[in-house]
This record gives sequence, C-alpha cells and structure tokens, in this order.
Amino acid sequence: EPEVTQTPSHQVTQMGQEVILRCVPISNHLYFYWYRQILGQKVEFLVSFYNNEISEKSEIFDDQFSVERPDGSNFTLKIRSTKLEDSAMYFCASSADPGQFTYEQYFGPGTRLTVT
Amino acid sequence: DAKTTQPNSMESNEEEPVHLPCNHSTISGTDYIHWYRQLPSQGPEYVIHGLTSNVNNRMASLAIAEDRKSSTLILHRATLRDAAVYYCILRDSFSGSARQLTFGSGTQLTVLP
Repeated sequence: EPEVTQTPSHQVTQMGQEVILRCVPISNHLYFYWYRQILGQKVEFLVSFYNNEISEKSEIFDDQFSVERPDGSNFTLKIRSTKLEDSAMYFCASSADPGQFTYEQYFGPGTRLTVT
Repeated sequence: DAKTTQPNSMESNEEEPVHLPCNHSTISGTDYIHWYRQLPSQGPEYVIHGLTSNVNNRMASLAIAEDRKSSTLILHRATLRDAAVYYCILRDSFSGSARQLTFGSGTQLTVLP
C-alpha cells in the first residue's frame, strides 16, 4: 500500500539554525499539507499546497516557515531560524483530489524536531 | 468549523465492540463527519466519513443520528492495536478551509486484554 514517508525521523538543532524537513507524498496525490503536534497537545494545521503554490496557511505559518516542491516527488518544510517553541512532531500529509472535500488525507510518520 | 465534543477517554475489552460517541449539535447541512485516529507515536490515520447515512468500511462503522447532531464510531471487535486517540472532525464542503483538518483533543481509547 502506498504511503507518505518523512525524513529524518528525528532532527536536533540549535536555536537560530535553519532546518529542512522532507516528505515524499503518495505519487499520484495532488494536495499536500504540513501539520505539527507539540508534545501533549493537539495536531495543528500549518499549510496546504496545491499546484505549486500555498493554498491555505494558519497563523502559525509565519515568515519563518516556507514550503517547496523542488521536484516531482519531494515536499519540504523549511524553518529559517528555529526557536525553542518550534520543538514538535511535524507531520506531512497528502490527498488525491483537491476538488473533493470528502477525500481522506494520508499522513506520514512524522519528524520529531528538537530545538535546543 | 462547527465544534465537536468527545469524551476524553474510554476503555474497552479486547474482542468486544466499542462505541465512540461524538456530539456536534451545531453541525450545518454541508458538514461532513470524518473520523481519524492516531496510534501511539504515529501520524493520524483516516478511519471513515459520512454525511447523513450510516457508513461501513473494513475498519469501522459510522452511525449518524437522524438529526445529525451526534454520531458514533463503532469498532466491531476491538483489538489491542485499536488503542489510539480517535478524532471526530467536521468538514464544511463549501468552505475554503474544508481541505484542512481541524483536530480537537479526541477520545483516548484504551483496550484491555
């Protein structure tokens, strides 16, 4: 069964450093997402991406964050200057048909980001 | 998005049915009811969704009240692997934000051997 993959599984970085989290969505999917989950808290939406541009973003997704689909398979989340409060599990997700609001989203296993 | 209310936690015995309730008294006519679950240390996983009629798939059944103000996710035979946080999420089909999922706190299901 096709699945969303994410690398690395765990990233440790120092405050102020840039990090790039990588995701490979399911191959025929067209809509891509990033969510995050701070330890013990809810899963929060960050951004959605379709047709090579951001479709929606939350208040969390400020100028420190950016997303990119550099080739036909990868989808990345960059944090330019990490802060302690960016420590969280980051989940990538993808879905097949952006025109159907009933479609399911497939989530990756997550990248645990620890900012020290 | 309309709000959902779920119990914080529930317990079930292995191999018995589990009924996970969700209240959504402010649901609108265009809201779909979705259920996702999150197993320990994993990403969320789609379970099932519906609009008005009851739905069945290989994972679970979804029973929707006639007035749509509540719904119940039914796991017919709970296994230890079903221990997870279950999220009931409403998605408005006419809203631009329908594509994102808004997670609440969910119900932590514990399955006892």
